[in-house]
Amino acid sequence: GDSVTQMEGPVTLSEEAFLTINCTYTATGYPSLFWYVQYPGEGLQLLLKATKADDKGSNKGFEATYRKETTSFHLEKGSVQVSDSAVYFCALSPKNTGNQFYFGTGTSLTVIP
Amino acid sequence: DAGVIQSPRHEVTEMGQEVTLRCKPISGHNSLFWYRQTMMRGLELLIYFNNNVPIDDSGMPEDRFSAKMPNASFSTLKIQPSEPRDSAVYFCASSLSVGVGETQYFGPGTRLLVL
Repeated sequence: GDSVTQMEGPVTLSEEAFLTINCTYTATGYPSLFWYVQYPGEGLQLLLKATKADDKGSNKGFEATYRKETTSFHLEKGSVQVSDSAVYFCALSPKNTGNQFYFGTGTSLTVIP
Repeated sequence: DAGVIQSPRHEVTEMGQEVTLRCKPISGHNSLFWYRQTMMRGLELLIYFNNNVPIDDSGMPEDRFSAKMPNASFSTLKIQPSEPRDSAVYFCASSLSVGVGETQYFGPGTRLLVL
């Protein structure tokens, strides 16, 4: 069935370091792909999304490219800040099942000054 | 826009008691989702509605859980009787429609502790 596999955490980086969080998916057809972020004590917020192959989603310095050939949607940021400390979730919305989402297990990121 | 509103934000109750969680979706959104988040199981979809009709409740853990959506602006998730293993954060989310690629907008969650 449809699923998302996300890089295990936790991840700890120094401020201004480069960030990559890996996400691969299994799905029939061409799903839409999302990254959500959850700050401590809050709900999930959409960070970025891509709806078709080769699309690049971007927001707040974060980027992810929908790679159909590798079934991946890795999240990257060139220079992380302390304020980026949060849990990041990769998710997919399959093509033919309405708007049901499948979420990864989440990757906790801590950025230290 | 006020976003998705959930109440209460925190709930502490004793085993066996009835718990009712409430959600008000974003105005104009036609789809509503209930999720449960725990450390052990991550984020789980419990049930979702489209145009106030339950579409998929296969994630509801057992008969103690029930959800309703009497109108487009209100939904409840009820646990009766509650058990300690129900302790979790419960999120409500809404989206404009059930089209593929529609963003889901999450509420702040209700943190439930069953003693």
